[in-house]
Amino acid sequence: EAGVTQFPSHSVIEKGQTVTLRCDPISGHDNLYWYRRVMGKEIKFLLHFVKESKQDESGMPNNRFLAERTGGTYSTLKVQPAELEDSGVYFCASSLIAGGRYNEQFFGPGTRLTVL
Amino acid sequence: RKEVEQDPGPFNVPEGATVAFNCTYSNSASQSFFWYRQDCRKEPKLLMSVYSSGNEDGRFTAQLNRASQYISLLIRDSKLSDSATYLCVVNMHSGGGADGLTFGKGTHLIIQP
Repeated sequence: EAGVTQFPSHSVIEKGQTVTLRCDPISGHDNLYWYRRVMGKEIKFLLHFVKESKQDESGMPNNRFLAERTGGTYSTLKVQPAELEDSGVYFCASSLIAGGRYNEQFFGPGTRLTVL
Repeated sequence: RKEVEQDPGPFNVPEGATVAFNCTYSNSASQSFFWYRQDCRKEPKLLMSVYSSGNEDGRFTAQLNRASQYISLLIRDSKLSDSATYLCVVNMHSGGGADGLTFGKGTHLIIQP
């Protein structure tokens, strides 16, 4: 069974440009999460989808970030316009159920974003 | 105060030794606890969940102390392949079905031959 996949694996853009990251969760997983790790910091939660609905977007840093999950399958995270501090590794995760204890979230390999 | 705190290390340990990590969490409402393992430039992978009664999986033992709000991980008979960053993770399961994980910065472990 395929795991969580993310595209691209790396992206280098200039400040002010737009970048769109994509995540394909494990088939059948209704729950999809986005996380980010900036250099020197811990991995931080951004938001959580249940199917196509945003369950929790409390971690989104500002309105330059837009996440979508049309149709409840893959998700995109768009950063527009990108700033230097947006550089980091963006992880996507998925899980079969949510809210229950010890429900495992499976992580994708991440997209390494560099904003110059 | 950080929500999840860990000693970043690195811990340099000879092969075959026993090593222990602790982490503390600030939110007493946290309900689920995990240790994840992350290899260099890879994604985090679940190592084990941490149950209130403590649990063991092979050479790995996890303990939870809710009163003191700390979690521990013990690795016995360490192998070279155990070298990685160990992430302490909690899930507060706060209201409305929120399910985002809260991570520590990780403890870097190096097993030396």
